[in-house]
This record gives sequence, structure tokens and C-alpha cells, in this order.
Amino acid sequence: GNSVTQMEGPVTLSEEAFLTINCTYTATGYPSLFWYVQYPGEGLQLLLKATKADDKGSNKGFEATYRKETTSFHLEKGSVQVSDSAVYFCALSSPEGGYQKVTFGTGTKLQVIP
Amino acid sequence: EAGVTQSPTHLIKTRGQQATLRCSPISGHTSVYWYQQALGLGLQFLLWYDEGEERNRGNFPPRFSGRQFPNYSSELNVNALELEDSALYLCASSRGQGGGYTFGSGTRLTVV
Repeated sequence: GNSVTQMEGPVTLSEEAFLTINCTYTATGYPSLFWYVQYPGEGLQLLLKATKADDKGSNKGFEATYRKETTSFHLEKGSVQVSDSAVYFCALSSPEGGYQKVTFGTGTKLQVIP
Repeated sequence: EAGVTQSPTHLIKTRGQQATLRCSPISGHTSVYWYQQALGLGLQFLLWYDEGEERNRGNFPPRFSGRQFPNYSSELNVNALELEDSALYLCASSRGQGGGYTFGSGTRLTVV
């Protein structure tokens, strides 16, 4: 079956620090990969996605590269801001079920301090 | 365009009662997904509806059920509520093309 493993949080960083949140996956077939973000008190928002090997998804200064050889999709940002404090979820959808069902990791809480 | 809307925002029920949660997808989206987000447990897949049919179901007991209406809106019903059902219930919709979901803001269910 499909699964997503991401680093446990919480992650606490100072403003302008470099962020990496690790994510690895197990999937049947060739999955699409996503990062979602959940700000306090809100639902999840799609942050970025990649659908094939070596694709780089990017949005709001965040980036993640689809690495098929290491089955990874690590999230990075060069300089975090206090407003980036949120919970980040790595996720995938696979050919099984026509790419429609999304499997999520457990989430990594990021806290950025001024 | 209007996003995914869920109602109510908050719901308080006593153990043993039934809860009904509602979701309206984005216009043009035919698939609706329900997830449970209990404290500290991440997102657990509950149900997937597409074109009025239940397509997949997560590892939840039968007292969790739902349906999708002809206008693609959906209802999640939880019968015989237990304390551990307290969670944020998230609904998402998609066009069914694998491009990712759009989530609503959720219904916070508290069972006392």
C-alpha cells in the first residue's frame, strides 16, 4: 500500500533560517507528490506539487524536487518568516484509484520565532 | 469562485447521539473526500464519493457513513458517537484528475 513518512516536529527556527522538512514515500506505480500547509484554525491548502521524476514544485518561496531514485520529496525554503508557522503535510496520489485518493503524512509543525 | 464550504463550523454532541456534517464542493468538482484529523494523529482517510457513488472507504467502523447528492454536495453521518470521535472533520473536493484537493475549513466535532 501507499505510505508517506515525514520528519517529526515540532521544528523551531529563527526568522530567516533555512528550512528543510524531509519526506519519503512508498507507492505502487508512479505517484504524484504534494505538499499541503495548514495554518492555525484553518483547513489544508495545496502548497506545491510535482507529477514526474525530477520535477520541481515551487510556491511562495518553498520548493520540493521529486526524487524517484530516493523516493523523496523534501520541502525547502531559503529564508523562513514568522508567517510560515504552520503544519506541513507531505502527500501522494497514485495510479491506484486513478490518482484520486490522496495519502497524507502525519504532518510537521513549524514554528518560526522572530 | 467559491471554495469548499463546510457546515457547521463547530458541533457539540453528547456520547451516543448522531452527528451530521455537510460539505459543498467547488463548482465543477465531482469528487468529495472526507478526512478525520484527531489531535496528534494526522489526517485519516474516511470516505470518497464521486458522481454520487461511494468509491473508497477508510478503516472506520460502519457507524461512519455518508452520501453524495445529485448536486455533488455531501453529508457525513456519525452514529452512536463516542468520545474518541472528537476531531476536526475535513472535506475536500477535486475534479478527479489527480491534481490535488481543495479543502474546506473543517467542522470541529466535540463529543462530551
